Amino acid sequence: DVKVTQSSRYLVKRTGEKVFLECVQDMDHENMFWYRQDPGLGLRLIYFSYDVKMKEKGDIPEGYSVSREKKERFSLILESASTNQTSMYLCASSSTGAGDEQYFGPGTRLTVT
Amino acid sequence: GENVEQHPSTLSVQEGDSAVIKCTYSDSASNYFPWYKQELGKRPQLIIDIRSNVGEKKDQRIAVTLNKTAKHFSLHITETQPEDSAVYFCAAKDSGYSTLTFGKGTMLLVSP
Repeated sequence: DVKVTQSSRYLVKRTGEKVFLECVQDMDHENMFWYRQDPGLGLRLIYFSYDVKMKEKGDIPEGYSVSREKKERFSLILESASTNQTSMYLCASSSTGAGDEQYFGPGTRLTVT
Repeated sequence: GENVEQHPSTLSVQEGDSAVIKCTYSDSASNYFPWYKQELGKRPQLIIDIRSNVGEKKDQRIAVTLNKTAKHFSLHITETQPEDSAVYFCAAKDSGYSTLTFGKGTMLLVSP
């Protein structure tokens, strides 16, 4: 059973703080993704990675960066949090060789005040 | 890049009725179309998917149809039950990478 976990379910940060969101998957998946989910806007891709130390920008990368030092772990970094980054953040992973299904983590509800 | 449009944004039905959610996509090279269900407070989970070499796929009360020529695909839920109430997302796989472009979601409410 695929398991994708995220470091926090709820997080409250102040404007200007540096924020780290971590995601870990236990199925040796090559691909990992970070999305943000906002009401009425669906799931929007921030960044993705298809291998260790590789990263690609998604549709809304501005204000975010990522790190993938190990295959199982993909971190999303908000260098200087702003109120418009208040959102639900979802991590997902998938296997290149075993279909295209993405498995999602439980999400982190981030509030920036 | 890919663009996915999803309609309607909300859908209310009575228990036992059928529900249909429709999506269109823009990239004719897309070849994989999943549907995810997200219950309140939970993570999205895949409920059914279809590839471009197939026109229809069924799994018990849910089915997906794909029209490649028109670039649209639909989710059909028959004999709806209250536990079908959730937000449903369609998606299309982007050509090249293993990324998905999602629609904006449909909130389905099934009333007893």
